[in-house]
This record gives sequence, structure tokens and C-alpha cells, in this order.
Amino acid sequence: QKEVEQNSGPLSVPEGAIASLNCTYSDRVSQSFFWYRQYSGKSPELIMSIYSNGDKEDGRFTAQLNKASQYVSLLIRDSQPSDSATYLCAVNPSMSKIIFGKGTRLHILP
Amino acid sequence: SQTIHQWPATLVQPVGSPLSLECTVEGTSNPNLYWYRQAAGRGLQLLFYSVGIGQISSEVPQNLSASRPQDRQFILSSKKLLLSDSGFYLCAWSVGVLQGTEAFFGQGTRLTVV
Repeated sequence: QKEVEQNSGPLSVPEGAIASLNCTYSDRVSQSFFWYRQYSGKSPELIMSIYSNGDKEDGRFTAQLNKASQYVSLLIRDSQPSDSATYLCAVNPSMSKIIFGKGTRLHILP
Repeated sequence: SQTIHQWPATLVQPVGSPLSLECTVEGTSNPNLYWYRQAAGRGLQLLFYSVGIGQISSEVPQNLSASRPQDRQFILSSKKLLLSDSGFYLCAWSVGVLQGTEAFFGQGTRLTVV
């Protein structure tokens, strides 16, 4: 069964610290991986995409991919209260399908 | 630039009534289109996706259906709503043809079945 697993949280992180969000997926053929942020009552917005093993950095965000371990993570440096949201991991197990994990709630403590 | 329109933003419908939600995309051709549902406090469940006009893939068997009458139009329907159909319905698009591109979401429709 094709699944994306995330810890539901909440994950509480002090302001200014690093928040680490993790995701595992079951379908080995997945080639594309995405992180979305969703504020309460709003639609998800794309933060980052990652396609190759290793790290990809964009500002305060770093995505990490390990296809051998079927593991994707997102690091948020210098966490801000505005980063408090639910973070959704998504994978692309086939050409057109995109499936999501249930999300991790992140709470940045001022 | 590409934009996605989804309406209505909120909807309250009685049990047993029909449903029609519409989504249109502008600024791109041959997009992949998606309908997701998010129940309260839950993750995004993929309901349907489409790679072209008239081509619909269903992920979850239920009393919902989808249609794609035009290249950039995606419609979610039900003949008779159930209480369990309540949720946040999201339409999304991604670039067609290319493999593995990210999805972009509309503003969503919050459906309450009473």
C-alpha cells in the first residue's frame, strides 16, 4: 500500500531554534518529494521540492532526501512564530498522482 | 502566471442533496488536475485526478464523482450527500506531461453537510 507517514505532533520548538520534521514513504518508485505548509483554515502552500538524494537549501529551509531509507525531512532554521502551522509531506509515486501524509503540527514558542 | 479558481468558498448542504463544486485553471494548458478532501483534523485524501479531458482516476470509492469537460475545468459532484462528506475540498493542478512536478492549490471549499 502506498503511504506517506508523518508524526502528527504537535512539535513545540523555541523561537530561534531549529525545527526538524520527518516523513517516510512506502513506495520505492517515488521520485519526487514535496513539503507544504498549511495554516489553519487555509489551503496548502508549497515550500520546497526535492528530487535527488542529499540536501536542498532555500533560505531558512533545508530539505533532505534519502531514497535508500525512504526518508524525507525538512529543517527550519531560526524558527519564527509565523512558522507555526501544519507541515505536509507529499510524494509522487506515479507520473500524475500526488499523495500526502497527515501532516505534523509545528508550534513555535515565543 | 497560472491561477486556480475554486468556488464556492463555503457551502452548507442538507443530507441527501446534490453537490457540484467547480475548479478552473488559467495560464496553462493540459494540466493535471486533482480533487482532495481534508476532514477536520485529518490529512489530505486524494479523491480524483485527471491527466486530460474525460480522463478521471478515482482513488477512493464513494458517492462522489468527478468530470473534466474542458481542459482546464474540473468538477466534483455527488447525487446524494452524506454527513461523512463534510470537509475541506481542495482542487489542485500540476504541470502535465512532465513527471513529478508539484501541485498548486485553490482556496478550497468548506462543505458542511447537515
